[in-house]
Amino acid sequence: GEDVEQSLFLSVREGDSSVINCTYTDSSSTYLYWYKQEPGAGLQLLTYIFSNMDMKQDQRLTVLLNKKDKHLSLRIADTQTGDSAIYFCAETNPMDSSYKLIFGSGTRLLVRP
Amino acid sequence: DADVTQTPRNRITKTGKRIMLECSQTKGHDRMYWYRQDPGLGLRLIYYSFDVKDINKGEISDGYSVSRQAQAKFSLSLESAIPNQTALYFCATSVTGPRNEQFFGPGTRLTVL
Repeated sequence: GEDVEQSLFLSVREGDSSVINCTYTDSSSTYLYWYKQEPGAGLQLLTYIFSNMDMKQDQRLTVLLNKKDKHLSLRIADTQTGDSAIYFCAETNPMDSSYKLIFGSGTRLLVRP
Repeated sequence: DADVTQTPRNRITKTGKRIMLECSQTKGHDRMYWYRQDPGLGLRLIYYSFDVKDINKGEISDGYSVSRQAQAKFSLSLESAIPNQTALYFCATSVTGPRNEQFFGPGTRLTVL
């Protein structure tokens, strides 16, 4: 079945780059997403990538997609303390009539001053 | 102003009580979803609706019911709450279309004693 996996924790120093990784199993996925969840808040859509793209850049965020390996990554350049949060990778499969998002369990990013 | 709002934000209740969680949106989206988040896990779909009067079960609908009273409102009910329904509940909305960007409310933290 569908599955999305992420590492649980990442710690980086302020100013360094962060790379959060995600693997997925559903080769029919069309869109893949990165969401950010800050403490006590809902999920904020950061960016998404369509499956026919290899890379997408949006300011400090770079998404890389390797369809062959079913691997997705989110790179945050010049990481700031305000980037500390849980980051969720998610996918959607248009063959699923619910259009639900399948989420990973989230990666907690801790940015040290 | 928040586009997707949820009430209440926090609720503590006892086993066997009936609870209703409410979601309202001002985004004009047709699709609405209820997800549940448990510690260390991603979000799982409870119910979804693509239009008023359209109700569909998600992957974990047992013990829950929903009502789509209007395009902008989608409520989730627990008819007889049990402790393993203690979780964070999120409402989400999206427009019709393949990109399926979902926008989340701030969440309701429910504790069932």
